[in-house]
Amino acid sequence: AQSVTQLGSHVSVSEGALVLLRCNYSSSVPPYLFWYVQYPNQGLQLLLKYTSAATLVKGINGFEAEFKKSETSFHLTKPSAHMSDAAEYFCAAFLKAAGNKLTFGGGTRVLVKP
Amino acid sequence: EAQVTQNPRYLITVTGKKLTVTCSQNMNHEYMSWYRQDPGLGLRQIYYSMNVEVTDKGDVPEGYKVSRKEKRNFPLILESPSPNQTSLYFCASSLREDQPQHFGDGTRLSIL
Repeated sequence: AQSVTQLGSHVSVSEGALVLLRCNYSSSVPPYLFWYVQYPNQGLQLLLKYTSAATLVKGINGFEAEFKKSETSFHLTKPSAHMSDAAEYFCAAFLKAAGNKLTFGGGTRVLVKP
Repeated sequence: EAQVTQNPRYLITVTGKKLTVTCSQNMNHEYMSWYRQDPGLGLRQIYYSMNVEVTDKGDVPEGYKVSRKEKRNFPLILESPSPNQTSLYFCASSLREDQPQHFGDGTRLSIL
């Protein structure tokens, strides 16, 4: 079965520092990959998506993610953290061969220190 | 405004009392889905629907029912709720199953 692993359930960064959130998927065939963000008391919002067009994907709010097939990874980065980036981030994978389901990682909560 | 609307947002109820959480989308999306969110487990899919009258089980369907009689609506039914169904529930929709999903604001259910 397909699985998505996010390393680190909590990440603390200083304002202005690099944000790096790790995501690995388990399928041998590259799936469609997504990063979502969840602010308190809200639903999830799409940050970016990978659908095999380009390995470096730019999203909203200055985030980007790089797809690396050899590492089965799709890590999310932002060069300079802002206080408004404090939220929970979810990586998700869709693979049609694994059923028409979106599989989520466990989430990483980001704390931004002033 | 494009949106997915869930009701109620919060509900406290007792074991065994049937409840329904409604979900409606105004984007003419074909694919709709229900998830539950529990700490450390991310979101887990309960049921999904590819189109009207087409539904299928996700990863954690036990204790839940759904129906898709109209394209815009996808209610989640708990026939006999139990405390282990206390969770935060999200409805989502997308144009197709492989497209990004739009999420509702969530329904927090507490089953006593």
